Amino acid sequence: DTGVSQNPRHKITKRGQNVTFRCDPISEHNRLYWYRQTLGQGPEFLTYFQNEAQLEKSRLLSDRFSAERPKGSFSTLEIQRTEQGDSAMYLCASSFLDREGGGYTFGSGTRLTVV
Amino acid sequence: AQTVTQSQPEMSVQEAETVTLSCTYDTSENNYYLFWYKQPPSRQMILVIRQEAYKQQNATENRFSVNFQKAAKSFSLKISDSQLGDTAMYFCAFKPSGGGGNKLTFGTGTQLKVEL
Repeated sequence: DTGVSQNPRHKITKRGQNVTFRCDPISEHNRLYWYRQTLGQGPEFLTYFQNEAQLEKSRLLSDRFSAERPKGSFSTLEIQRTEQGDSAMYLCASSFLDREGGGYTFGSGTRLTVV
Repeated sequence: AQTVTQSQPEMSVQEAETVTLSCTYDTSENNYYLFWYKQPPSRQMILVIRQEAYKQQNATENRFSVNFQKAAKSFSLKISDSQLGDTAMYFCAFKPSGGGGNKLTFGTGTQLKVEL
């Protein structure tokens, strides 16, 4: 297992377009998290899944954002009608349920630029 | 709600010297976990060290150690024998224990530069 994989690494899109990011977690990890990181800030929680169930969503996740994790494996994060304020690094992380204090394994992120 | 504060936006240290990064947090939880993550320019966050709040003994991982002061809600990271590869953004993070305590709350980070 090579860790958490995120694609694409970079995405440039025009305002108003839809974008979708993919995250492939570590295979035995049943929890998957999405975070957003803007320049000079720490990551901010967006949402997380336990297996295929989306258990929590931040108020940062407006109705233009949707995340899925079909079959409890990979996850996608879609942003509809992108705005310039959506420009950020989108980080995915995964963890194992029974290792509560074990921390997360992060992917390298997808950097979104909305022009 | 929990908050994590890192009051040092930037720090620098000479190679082979020791540096301490500060972190304070605010919570009403009694059981929780604290973490330090490193984010090098390649951007992938890497776990450096973790501390369980119910353990009084400070965690140590090779050149990295923490000073955990539960009453003061302080969790500083000490890097000994600093190396050029330690240059990165360092984030302090908090996670409550138990049901619902699944998300990490991060501080704003400290950019550490190790110089020759």
